[in-house]
Amino acid sequence: QVHLQQWGAGLLKPSETLSLTCGVYGGSLSGYYWSWIRQAPGKGLEWIGEMDHSGSTNYNPSLKSRVTISVDRSKNHFFLNLTSVTAADTAVYYCARGAAFDPWGQGTLVIVSS
Amino acid sequence: DIQMTQSPSSLSASVGDRVTITCRASQTINTFLNWYQQKPGKAPKLLIYGASSLQNGVPTRFSGSGSGTDFTLTISSLQPEDFATYYCQQSYSTSRITFGGGTKVEIK
Repeated sequence: QVHLQQWGAGLLKPSETLSLTCGVYGGSLSGYYWSWIRQAPGKGLEWIGEMDHSGSTNYNPSLKSRVTISVDRSKNHFFLNLTSVTAADTAVYYCARGAAFDPWGQGTLVIVSS
Repeated sequence: DIQMTQSPSSLSASVGDRVTITCRASQTINTFLNWYQQKPGKAPKLLIYGASSLQNGVPTRFSGSGSGTDFTLTISSLQPEDFATYYCQQSYSTSRITFGGGTKVEIK
């Protein structure tokens, strides 16, 4: 059964770059889309972007200028980079598989504060 | 972008009640509609995919219906563990996935 484990820095200053990793265990990256999704405190879910196993990406237009999703197939990991963060980027960030998202990572709270 | 509108945004119900949550898409999405349950501090859990297919392991009291622009999630007999927030999500436009705003189901 596929399991996603995510990690990365949880406290950033404004203008820094958010970097998160999602490890895929018990399965392959092949044949699926892999997404990042976030949830600001007390708010709903926002799709950030996705990548397929070949590395082809799609991004939320509202974040596209700052987002990069990439992959390391040798480690079965994929990554989120979000540049020039502000307080508005404070959220729990999730990784997930597929277009009907399942499974999900456990979530990483990222706080942006000076 | 395809806008997803859920209603109501919150509801109060009792154990044993039948609960219905609706989701409307701003344009047709065929049956590319998924439903999630989220409890506080936890990642969302996929309940229904393809508008009406029950995800493995999800109790049969959950059901989904609809196609085109109008969709429904029904809980046939609300259980204590079902108090949570529910989200719909369209996967028709895979380059621009969008979620509904959520429906919080609370105890009456």
